[in-house]
Amino acid sequence: DTEVTQTPKHLVMGMTNKKSLKCEQHMGHRAMYWYKQKAKKPPELMFVYSYEKLSINESVPSRFSPECPNSSLLNLHLHALQPEDSALYLCASSPDRSSGNTIYFGEGSWLTVV
Amino acid sequence: AQSVAQPEDQVNVAEGNPLTVKCTYSVSGNPYLFWYVQYPNRGLQFLLKYITGDNLVKGSYGFEAEFNKSQTSFHLKKPSALVSDSALYFCAVRDEGRDDKIIFGKGTRLHILP
Repeated sequence: DTEVTQTPKHLVMGMTNKKSLKCEQHMGHRAMYWYKQKAKKPPELMFVYSYEKLSINESVPSRFSPECPNSSLLNLHLHALQPEDSALYLCASSPDRSSGNTIYFGEGSWLTVV
Repeated sequence: AQSVAQPEDQVNVAEGNPLTVKCTYSVSGNPYLFWYVQYPNRGLQFLLKYITGDNLVKGSYGFEAEFNKSQTSFHLKKPSALVSDSALYFCAVRDEGRDDKIIFGKGTRLHILP
């Protein structure tokens, strides 16, 4: 089973709202990732967690706040977003950060900021 | 620095014909190479990867890819295309031993004509 589960699938939020995206995997993976993808573009890395610790932040604005409560869960807290933040947000995981490991992606959460 | 190039924005192939989606890469060390497919409104699905060993790698859904070190290429191939293969394909590279983030190409849209 190589499943990464993301909720919600679709989210519409106002620029003053606070919401969260959730991600879960039960493959025992110790690296988890958040990516942002705009239409017809490749995914862009936002954050990497390794063994529940934040190891990479790709200079993401503070209105995006990641959290890794345990080894199976990854959240992305959203606050005061802008319309240009509308995108597909992909969660992913891999056994660890080693380069040879496959990164497995979830189906994504479609975010629309109005 | 790592980089990956997918020279074609779109590839059109008639159903039943062989298909090739091109990818070239640049890394300072040994490359780890990946192909992913993205169907409309879905996440990325892992197809195959090259780490070491046999230069011809077989993956999901009948796809295969050939690693060519001298040409720094990792083209994706399938002997007989299906209409259901129509999707967006991403080549990606990681540099061995550096635990760096995965670098995606811009993507190639594959359109199989019935």
